[in-house]
Amino acid sequence: GQQVMQIPQYQHVQEGEDFTTYCNSSTTLSNIQWYKQRPGGHPVFLIQLVKSGEVKKQKRLTFQFGEAKKNSSLHITATQTTDVGTYFCAGARSSARQLTFGSGTQLTVLP
Amino acid sequence: DSGVTQTPKHLITATGQRVTLRCSPRSGDLSVYWYQQSLDQGLQFLIQYYNGEERAKGNILERFSAQQFPDLHSELNLSSLELGDSALYFCASSVDLEGFYGYTFGSGTRLTVV
Repeated sequence: GQQVMQIPQYQHVQEGEDFTTYCNSSTTLSNIQWYKQRPGGHPVFLIQLVKSGEVKKQKRLTFQFGEAKKNSSLHITATQTTDVGTYFCAGARSSARQLTFGSGTQLTVLP
Repeated sequence: DSGVTQTPKHLITATGQRVTLRCSPRSGDLSVYWYQQSLDQGLQFLIQYYNGEERAKGNILERFSAQQFPDLHSELNLSSLELGDSALYFCASSVDLEGFYGYTFGSGTRLTVV
């Protein structure tokens, strides 16, 4: 079945440093979504990417969808303590009814 | 408040018992998904319902079952509970069948089996 791999599993950064998490799918995706789960919280939808090579920005967050639509990345510039949490990518195939979530990257921001 | 309501928030029960988790989707959403999240683990898809019908199954154990009712709320039944079933169970909903516009998650039910 479809697998969505996410790296790194854990990332510790100093406040102000940049952070990137990468997502790779074993199959071509129709779209990819990103979610953030704060400690003790539930996943919250951040964004969706649909087009090959698409880049979207949300303030300090930049999301990219690869040209082959099999990989994606989330980059955070100048991290803040409010960025702490686990970031999940979730891929959708045109033939599937539900998203396949990556294993997540747990971000810790040290003040 | 995400609009997806899950009850109860916490549940402690003994091995061998049966529990029912309840989810009310966001108003207007027709799809309901159930996910299991173990400690420091990812989100494991269990099952999806759309407008009352089962549409997709993931890694759901035979001891687990679910249904979606005419008012679109859903219940996840877990029976013959084992210690390894201890986890956070999330319900999510989406307006469409494929979740194209994103999932809205509830705050989860934390199940502890002792």
